[in-house]
Amino acid sequence: QQPVQSPQAVILREGEDAVINCSSSKALYSVHWYRQKHGEAPVFLMILLKGGEQKGHEKISASFNEKKQQSSLYLTASQLSYSGTYFCGTGPPGETSGSRLTFGEGTQLTVNP
Amino acid sequence: NAGVMQNPRHLVRRRGQEARLRCSPMKGHSHVYWYRQLPEEGLKFMVYLQKENIIDESGMPKERFSAEFPKEGPSILRIQQVVRGDSAAYFCASSPRQGYTEAFFGQGTRLTVV
Repeated sequence: QQPVQSPQAVILREGEDAVINCSSSKALYSVHWYRQKHGEAPVFLMILLKGGEQKGHEKISASFNEKKQQSSLYLTASQLSYSGTYFCGTGPPGETSGSRLTFGEGTQLTVNP
Repeated sequence: NAGVMQNPRHLVRRRGQEARLRCSPMKGHSHVYWYRQLPEEGLKFMVYLQKENIIDESGMPKERFSAEFPKEGPSILRIQQVVRGDSAAYFCASSPRQGYTEAFFGQGTRLTVV
């Protein structure tokens, strides 16, 4: 079943923060976050493998709450380069690999000067 | 080290024709995955292949679609007798081994059926 992302779209001014949520009705084993710029390939940001674990990538971090079956992506002090569509992907039960992911519909993030 | 290469980048086909999409994985990668992205939607898993083997084709439509990854050469996604609903971006991703956490995506082939 497809994870649900919220919000669908967000517009920020440079330097502002944003949170993107990803929830699943099924138990989560791994959550993979990707960013896709218009007309380009999705690019891997990070993977969350354990409940409550936070990972970081520059000023982008994420958390994973197994009990709530959700993950959140935190973008702090946003830069123009953060603009794009963010997808969360979940793997099959027991798998942590990047294959066979079920992606959410995406959250379109626009950062304006 | 070149990334995942897909060609063509854009493909236009008339209804009823065949579409062949090619994907060359990153050097040293033997696992390939195909995804389809409809306009304004997320990526949908189609098929997972290893050299000469189909590992999982649970996301492939039952008819008209097939995929292969031969011992030599690129992976091919083949769509026979295309229909308007096949218009989408088709992305290929690769990884070096089973269980690898990151998938490396190509830039996609945008198929338009007219």
